[in-house]
Amino acid sequence: GQQLNQSPQSMFIQEGEDVSMNCTSSSIFNTWLWYKQDPGEGPVLLIALYKAGELTSNGRLTAQFGITRKDSFLNISASIPSDVGIYFCAGQGGSEKLVFGKGTKLTVNP
Amino acid sequence: EAGVTQSPTHLIKTRGQQATLRCSPISGHTSVYWYQQALGLGLQFLLWYDEGEERNRGNFPPRFSGRQFPNYSSELNVNALELEDSALYLCASTPVVGAFFGQGTRLTVV
Repeated sequence: GQQLNQSPQSMFIQEGEDVSMNCTSSSIFNTWLWYKQDPGEGPVLLIALYKAGELTSNGRLTAQFGITRKDSFLNISASIPSDVGIYFCAGQGGSEKLVFGKGTKLTVNP
Repeated sequence: EAGVTQSPTHLIKTRGQQATLRCSPISGHTSVYWYQQALGLGLQFLLWYDEGEERNRGNFPPRFSGRQFPNYSSELNVNALELEDSALYLCASTPVVGAFFGQGTRLTVV
């Protein structure tokens, strides 16, 4: 079945630093999504990408849909303590099942 | 507009018992996913229902089952509970592309 490789698994950074994480797939996706999960909560959609090459921002977050349609990255600029959580990428091909990466656990030291 | 709602929020069962978890999708969404998340780790895909039918099933034993009702709400049943079934169970509904998660049901098996 389809699998997503998300990296890194975890990150420990200082407040104010920029963060970058990415996902790659062996399959082509039509949609890439990025979610954030706070402890004890369900994941919340941050950014959705619908076209190859698309670059979308949401405040300090920027995500891109790779040209090959097999990868995506998420950048967080000037991190703050509330950025702490688990970030998940997800890909979907048309009406196929949504596939999630294993997550990147982000820790921000004040 | 109400989001995805899950009940109960917490559930404590003893080994060998059965657990029933419920999910109400966002109004208008016909598709529901179920995920298991243990120890704040990755999302393990359990089941996908769409228009009342099971579309896909993850790599879980048959004692994990579910159904989707005509109003698109869904139920996850776990029979013969084992200690390792303790986890956060997340439901997500989707308008075809992407998914919106509920807060989850924390199942503890003792």
